Amino acid sequence: QQQVKQSPQSLIVQKGGIPIINCAYENTAFDYFPWYQQFPGKGPALLIAIRPDVSEKKEGRFTISFNKSAKQFSLHIMDSQPGDSATYFCAASSVSGTASKLTFGTGTRLQVTL
Amino acid sequence: EAGVTQSPTHLIKTRGQQATLRCSPISGHTSVYWYQQALGLGLQFLLWYDEGEERNRGNFPPRFSGRQFPNYSSELNVNALELEDSALYLCASTQDRGPETQYFGPGTRLLVL
Repeated sequence: QQQVKQSPQSLIVQKGGIPIINCAYENTAFDYFPWYQQFPGKGPALLIAIRPDVSEKKEGRFTISFNKSAKQFSLHIMDSQPGDSATYFCAASSVSGTASKLTFGTGTRLQVTL
Repeated sequence: EAGVTQSPTHLIKTRGQQATLRCSPISGHTSVYWYQQALGLGLQFLLWYDEGEERNRGNFPPRFSGRQFPNYSSELNVNALELEDSALYLCASTQDRGPETQYFGPGTRLLVL
């Protein structure tokens, strides 16, 4: 059962473009939504995260937009660079009780071309 | 500060064998999470250990098991290996029980022939 659906599966943008990766969730108990960046041969690294009490969060060139009513959130990368080429995963969790775990999307492979 | 380390980096086994994967968390971290990253399936939660106890388990058969040692390092055991167990196995650690600050290791790539 895929509780977090991520799209697109892959994305190619030119340098300076603004790739957008979308995620949708089903579990209304989710209250923490991080994005991870993974380079080949490396483990995922936390990029940016948001809680449902805000609709947008920016950190440098990375922005999360969150729509609680639609149960959707997205990652925008401003002024994308070739070094941003990586696989991006959205995730969700419910920080309650003893069930602390992250549910991940299937990932988006981003390629930024010159 | 050293990050999460995992060993071995690669492991090749045949069907029916057992595999043992190891993880050392960041110093001071007491929680360890294990994930399976199979091609096209993202990261699937396997197990969560905190203070030496198994706290949560993902939707995997009992032949996936593990433990956490007094020094908070952890071991993942996969018995009766099947071809579909071939994947990248990732370990993550956190300082507290929340999932927010999970730091991942580079993973162990398991190939089952």
